[in-house]
Amino acid sequence: SQQGEEDPQALSIQEGENATMNCSYKTSINNLQWYRQNSGRGLVHLILIRSNEREKHSGRLRVTLDTSKKSSSLLITASRAADTASYFCATAPYSNYQLIWGAGTKLIIKP
Amino acid sequence: DADVTQTPRNRITKTGKRIMLECSQTKGHDRMYWYRQDPGLGLRLIYYSFDVKDINKGEISDGYSVSRQAQAKFSLSLESAIPNQTALYFCATSDTDRITDTQYFGPGTRLTVL
Repeated sequence: SQQGEEDPQALSIQEGENATMNCSYKTSINNLQWYRQNSGRGLVHLILIRSNEREKHSGRLRVTLDTSKKSSSLLITASRAADTASYFCATAPYSNYQLIWGAGTKLIIKP
Repeated sequence: DADVTQTPRNRITKTGKRIMLECSQTKGHDRMYWYRQDPGLGLRLIYYSFDVKDINKGEISDGYSVSRQAQAKFSLSLESAIPNQTALYFCATSDTDRITDTQYFGPGTRLTVL
């Protein structure tokens, strides 16, 4: 059973544009994390936002969290070809802290 | 060298065969995980281990078993492989910070069961 659902499933934009992807979840969480997966490779942790935080930045990444709506968004500014990847949100519920994964957003950056 | 390694990287086998996937880590983490990924789906947890003497079933443990040989090694076995176990398998680790549980992934093993 998946807790997180990413939206959109796929996104194609021009290099230099901003990319926004969203994640919704169902139960109360301790934190929410975003990971990147390049084609067929292992996932890489990007950023973590705790339940008492509303916004967090890391380089070109900006993550927001709205616990009242049980949703999060990941913004990648000034996209580059190297940002082409799938992006997954993972939530850590209070019940057992085991990460629960969404199905991912596939992002394609066109040169 | 990679912090989390998996062997083999690719494997093709036949229905009914026993298969072992191996994972080693040099991060010094106590926690290790096995996931499978199917096309269009997120990761699903098969088993996890918080230390050498602690093994726990995940969401989809049926048809799988694990062995934690040492802090650094965690193996996944398919006792009798079946075609719907064809998937990409990932090993991951995390440290003992129960609050953040940031995970570090190996490169994956692509398993095909014919």
